[in-house]
Amino acid sequence: EVQLVGSGGGLVQPGGSLGLSCAASGFTLSDHYMDWVRQAPGKGLEWVGRTRNKAKSYTTEYAASVKGRFTISRDDSKNSLHLQMNSLKTEDTAVYYCARATIFGETYGMDVWGQGTTVTVSS
Amino acid sequence: DIQMTQSPSSLSASVGDRVTITCRASQGIRNDLGWYQQKPGKAPKRLIYGASSLQSGVPSRFNGSGSGTEFTLTISSLQPEDFATYYCLQHNSYPLTFGQGTKLEIK
Repeated sequence: EVQLVGSGGGLVQPGGSLGLSCAASGFTLSDHYMDWVRQAPGKGLEWVGRTRNKAKSYTTEYAASVKGRFTISRDDSKNSLHLQMNSLKTEDTAVYYCARATIFGETYGMDVWGQGTTVTVSS
Repeated sequence: DIQMTQSPSSLSASVGDRVTITCRASQGIRNDLGWYQQKPGKAPKRLIYGASSLQSGVPSRFNGSGSGTEFTLTISSLQPEDFATYYCLQHNSYPLTFGQGTKLEIK
């Protein structure tokens, strides 16, 4: 069974740092693009960023709102995906989902999602 | 950035009704679009990929159509478990963008 399990959420002060992890199972992580998506309380879904697969040298893309502050990495040998969040702002408060992306045509859309982990940025 | 305009933002309907949700892209995205269902406190679940292909395991009452800039999700006969929030996602170009969501409520 394909499964993603997120962890690492918690309460952090503005300006602080926090790292999230996502454990993957049931598929070969190195074959897949992986995304992070967040959802602020009572709001819609917002794409955070993506890491491409091994064939594409694990290159990354980020939303403008997090570029320069957030870093996506992965350890395929441990079947894990990571999101390092620095210089956190109150507006980064959200549930963070990891998601697997699979190809359709020439581009990649998210098919399997983790359960989400909650990040609260507050003093 | 590609803007995805989703309508309506909320919809009240009854079991057995047919409902349609629309997403319009600010520029052409071919068929690089998915539809997702989200229930409170849960992760989104993909229903449709490639604008019109049904995700494995999803009931056939869900139907997606469209290409280019206009897309629709139709639920042919609402079931109690369909009351949820629905989102479209374009993955044609970065940044990936979601529609604002449509909350489908029981009348």
